[in-house]
Amino acid sequence: GENVEQHPSTLSVQEGDSAVIKCTYSDSASNYFPWYKQELGKRPQLIIDIRSNVGEKKDQRIAVTLNKTAKHFSLHITETQPEDSAVYFCAASGGGGSNYKLTFGKGTLLTVNP
Amino acid sequence: NAGVTQTPKFQVLKTGQSMTLQCAQDMNHEYMSWYRQDPGMGLRLIHYSVGAGITDQGEVPNGYNVSRSTTEDFPLRLLSAAPSQTSVYFCASSYSFTGGNNQPQHFGDGTRLSIL
Repeated sequence: GENVEQHPSTLSVQEGDSAVIKCTYSDSASNYFPWYKQELGKRPQLIIDIRSNVGEKKDQRIAVTLNKTAKHFSLHITETQPEDSAVYFCAASGGGGSNYKLTFGKGTLLTVNP
Repeated sequence: NAGVTQTPKFQVLKTGQSMTLQCAQDMNHEYMSWYRQDPGMGLRLIHYSVGAGITDQGEVPNGYNVSRSTTEDFPLRLLSAAPSQTSVYFCASSYSFTGGNNQPQHFGDGTRLSIL
C-alpha cells in the first residue's frame, strides 16, 4: 500500500518568515495530494490540494509543489503569522486503484513565534 | 448544511463494553470514512464506504465494524472495547471520484474515546 513520509515533525519559525514542510510518497500511481491543518482539539481542515497533472498551486500565502518523478510534494507558507501555528498533515490517494483512500503523513507541528 | 456530525463528542468505556460512534452528513456525499488519530501517528483509515450498502476495510480495521444502510449515516461499532482503542475518532465524507478527480474530504469534529 501507499506510504507517506513527512518532515520535519516539528518546525519553529519567527513571525514573517517562511515555513516549508516536505512529504514523500511511495505509490507512483497516486494522483491527489491534499494538505490539512489541525488546530489543537479541532478537526483537520483542508487548506490546499494538488492533482498529479499540476506542478504547483498557490492560494494567497500558501503554495504546494509536486514533483512526480521524485515522488515528493511540499507545502510552503510565506509571511507566517501566529495563527498559522497548528499541526499540518500531508496525504496522498488514488494509487493502486484506491481512488478514495487517503494515506496521511504523521504530521508537522508548526509554531510561529511572535 | 451542518456538514459532518459526530456523536458523542466524548465517551469513557470499560474494557469489553460495546458502543457505536455515530456519523451523519447532509451534503449527499457518496464517500464516507472513519479514521483514528493517535499521538505521533497521524490519521489512519479504519473503514470506508463508497455508497450505501458498500463498505471496505482500511489500514487498521481489526476490532471495528461498519455498515452503510443510507447515504447519510455511517456508524462505527466497537464490539468489545480494548484499551488499545483509546483514541480520537474522525469521520469524513466527500463526493465520489467524479470527472477523473478525487474530491476533498470534509471531517467531523471527532469523538474522544477512552477505554479503561
